Amino acid sequence: GESVGLHLPTLSVQEGDNSIINCAYSNSASDYFIWYKQESGKGPQFIIDIRSNMDKRQGQRVTVLLNKTVKHLSLQIAATQPGDSAVYFCAENHSGTYKYIFGTGTRLKVLA
Amino acid sequence: KAGVTQTPRYLIKTRGQQVTLSCSPISGHRSVSWYQQTPGQGLQFLFEYFSETQRNKGNFPGRFSGRQFSNSRSEMNVSTLELGDSALYLCASSSPDNYGYTFGSGTRLTVV
Repeated sequence: GESVGLHLPTLSVQEGDNSIINCAYSNSASDYFIWYKQESGKGPQFIIDIRSNMDKRQGQRVTVLLNKTVKHLSLQIAATQPGDSAVYFCAENHSGTYKYIFGTGTRLKVLA
Repeated sequence: KAGVTQTPRYLIKTRGQQVTLSCSPISGHRSVSWYQQTPGQGLQFLFEYFSETQRNKGNFPGRFSGRQFSNSRSEMNVSTLELGDSALYLCASSSPDNYGYTFGSGTRLTVV
């Protein structure tokens, strides 16, 4: 499939290490956030979400942290696997706007 | 449970032509959104429909239009195609009680 983005920041991690992907969001009024994973040739896949009344939310091998003071979101992936290689996007939503604003994305490369 | 289905998967059109893309949301989902994804601009919001009504529209020229049918299926149309319209067009659906979008695999449009 085609590349999602030709000039995306890239994070390279060793298989088995933890990965941290960061995102700065734009609107201080945003109250809902989602992390997506996009593999080549596919649509974005929902990973985990968090509402603005929370600071942290955990899923299976993934954790999302939200810092509203500095408008920062991070995605932590534990024990990174080759199948985690993809482009990761954060998305923000301000309730009532019926749309999401997406970050530019980070390419995660897992080294064997 | 079937996911979001977009047809066709690939399209090649000539400048000046028009194109119609189709999206079938997950059963029970009444909100359908459309995004354009390009390497240079990332994911850009086009429009969102709920119960056949457009609730929000992104910053795209009037050549881009959409509609939603009573069964929640949606179409988007691009008239007078330009080379810059070449992109991956993504559709996402969501239910009223689940903020998270579920994306389809997209339609890859190439304008030559």
